[in-house]
Amino acid sequence: AQSVTQLGSHVSVSEGALVLLRCNYSSSVPPYLFWYVQYPNQGLQLLLKYTSAATLVKGINGFEAEFKKSETSFHLTKPSAHMSDAAEYFCAVSGGGGADGLTFGKGTHLIIQP
Amino acid sequence: DAGVIQSPRHEVTEMGQEVTLRCKPISGHNSLFWYRQTMMRGLELLIYFNNNVPIDDSGMPEDRFSAKMPNASFSTLKIQPSEPRDSAVYFCASRILDGELFFGEGSRLTVL
Repeated sequence: AQSVTQLGSHVSVSEGALVLLRCNYSSSVPPYLFWYVQYPNQGLQLLLKYTSAATLVKGINGFEAEFKKSETSFHLTKPSAHMSDAAEYFCAVSGGGGADGLTFGKGTHLIIQP
Repeated sequence: DAGVIQSPRHEVTEMGQEVTLRCKPISGHNSLFWYRQTMMRGLELLIYFNNNVPIDDSGMPEDRFSAKMPNASFSTLKIQPSEPRDSAVYFCASRILDGELFFGEGSRLTVL
């Protein structure tokens, strides 16, 4: 069984500041890990994924995440926030080599202050 | 290329009525997922299919919910009878085996 915990339901940063969204996972098998973004009234869009290759994963829109097995973490970062980054972000985990369904965290709402 | 197509986008119905949500996955994708999103519970996996066969329906809340995938290009999620607590956004998603999961724009259901 897999589970995901996202720390902080809301995160507020200033435009240009570092974005850090936290995700911890639990998995009984080697996990595949994902970050998705959801804009209002839209479906989810993949930002990046970890599938047991490089531990530092780069995604779209300048986001990246690092897989740390010892900490069971997969935190999402971006060096400089833009107003357009304001959205809901979801961390997800999948077992079974990625063939299983994804289990999502509760989401973190990212607010960008001008 | 068309993405995952869901219909209706919005549905308002009265308690006790039957609701049918529809999904057309991306052509060539062989896995299809139904998720429900609410403020309280977040995104919940209801059921998923591989090659039109249901693999895991442990997330289906109760017998009022049923899902079918009669062919590779169509799936339905049915709620009968509907209840106010079923109000949520229902997402369909598809992918190739263990590839990226592509989501539709969702069906927002309100049960009065």
